[in-house]
Amino acid sequence: AQSVAQPEDQVNVAEGNPLTVKCTYSVSGNPYLFWYVQYPNRGLQFLLKYITGDNLVKGSYGFEAEFNKSQTSFHLKKPSALVSDSALYFCAVRETGGFKTIFGAGTRLFVKA
Amino acid sequence: ETGVTQTPRHLVMGMTNKKSLKCEQHLGHNAMYWYKQSAKKPLELMFVYSLEERVENNSVPSRFSPECPNSSHLFLHLHTLQPEDSALYLCASSQDEGQPQHFGDGTRLSIL
Repeated sequence: AQSVAQPEDQVNVAEGNPLTVKCTYSVSGNPYLFWYVQYPNRGLQFLLKYITGDNLVKGSYGFEAEFNKSQTSFHLKKPSALVSDSALYFCAVRETGGFKTIFGAGTRLFVKA
Repeated sequence: ETGVTQTPRHLVMGMTNKKSLKCEQHLGHNAMYWYKQSAKKPLELMFVYSLEERVENNSVPSRFSPECPNSSHLFLHLHTLQPEDSALYLCASSQDEGQPQHFGDGTRLSIL
């Protein structure tokens, strides 16, 4: 069975510092991996995805994620955090050949000015 | 604007009421989803429709009844709900399995 773990409920970072939001996954086949962001009173917004190819994936708003097959991780990163990045971040995994996507519990990112 | 519109945005209903949530997508996608988002809990997949056929039903109580009349519209019919059903209900759509989902802004449901 597929699963996703986001080990941190909250990540605190100062504006201008690099940020990392962690995600590990478990899936039987080759995974499709996604990151989404949710702002208050809004739905989830797609940030980036890994399907195949380069392990470093670049997405929206300066975010990127690194796929590590041996560690089954897909951590979200940004070189320089902004206060406006403060939001709830979800990692998600989908097995190839299906529509069922499993979401992590979410990590709240708080960027302090 | 995500291309996925949910109505109403807020709904308050009693446990004996019947109401429906509506979702409409203008993206030409062929799969649509209902999710439940509760505080302190992971996002829960409820139903998936692909080409208007239900392909996933995640052990959801029968008081929730989905309907997908065409590839652009998705409904969630509600009846005899319980207080624990109070949550944010999110609709999403996607083109195929490898593509990201596009979410609506949700319906905030409160059961009295």
